[in-house]
Amino acid sequence: QVYLQESGPGLVKPSQTLSLTCTVSGASISTGYYSWSWVRQHPGKGLEWIGYIYYSGSTYYNPSLKSRVTMSIDTSKNQFSLRLNSVTAADTAVYYCVRDGGIQHWLSLDVWGQGTTVTVSS
Amino acid sequence: DIQMTQSPSSLSASVGDRVTITCRAGQSISNYLHWYQQKPGKAPNLLIHAASSLQTGVSSRFSGSGSGTEFTLTISSLQPEDFATYFCQQSHSTPWTFGQGTTVDIK
Repeated sequence: QVYLQESGPGLVKPSQTLSLTCTVSGASISTGYYSWSWVRQHPGKGLEWIGYIYYSGSTYYNPSLKSRVTMSIDTSKNQFSLRLNSVTAADTAVYYCVRDGGIQHWLSLDVWGQGTTVTVSS
Repeated sequence: DIQMTQSPSSLSASVGDRVTITCRAGQSISNYLHWYQQKPGKAPNLLIHAASSLQTGVSSRFSGSGSGTEFTLTISSLQPEDFATYFCQQSHSTPWTFGQGTTVDIK
């Protein structure tokens, strides 16, 4: 069974950088078959896909956030990370790390972390 | 970006009812359409991938259909544990996008 667990500060000040890490257990993040994504959900709202990273380090970022997002991967720790800079109150959300099931499952998001709430406030 | 539009946004139903939720894509996405269930305070859970393939462990009362731009999620006989919010999502083109969600509550 594959598990994902997000970690990072729950409170970030405006204009600073939000940094989250996702620890993967039960599977190797180095399996080239999957991509590893971040998805966020604003309070009481829908879901927004932030982007993905492959074990090779190849990334795709949602153009809506591209100028502020950086994703990285640490295969030795079986972790991947999200950095979002210049945050505002509009970045307050629950952040999920997610795995896609590969092309065999049509890139559906089949494993989700429990989510971590990040509040942007001074 | 491919816009995903769900209808209705919410519905009230009773246990045992048949429920249908529709998701429309702004352009053809073949079968790259997936359905998720989300309960309050929890992460979304994948129910159906590729429009109609039931995820392992998901009840057979859930079914999906459609292709191209129009898709449906059907719950054949609503159970108490099915009261939740349902999202569709496309993975045909980046950026991947979600529908706005359909909340199913108790009538």
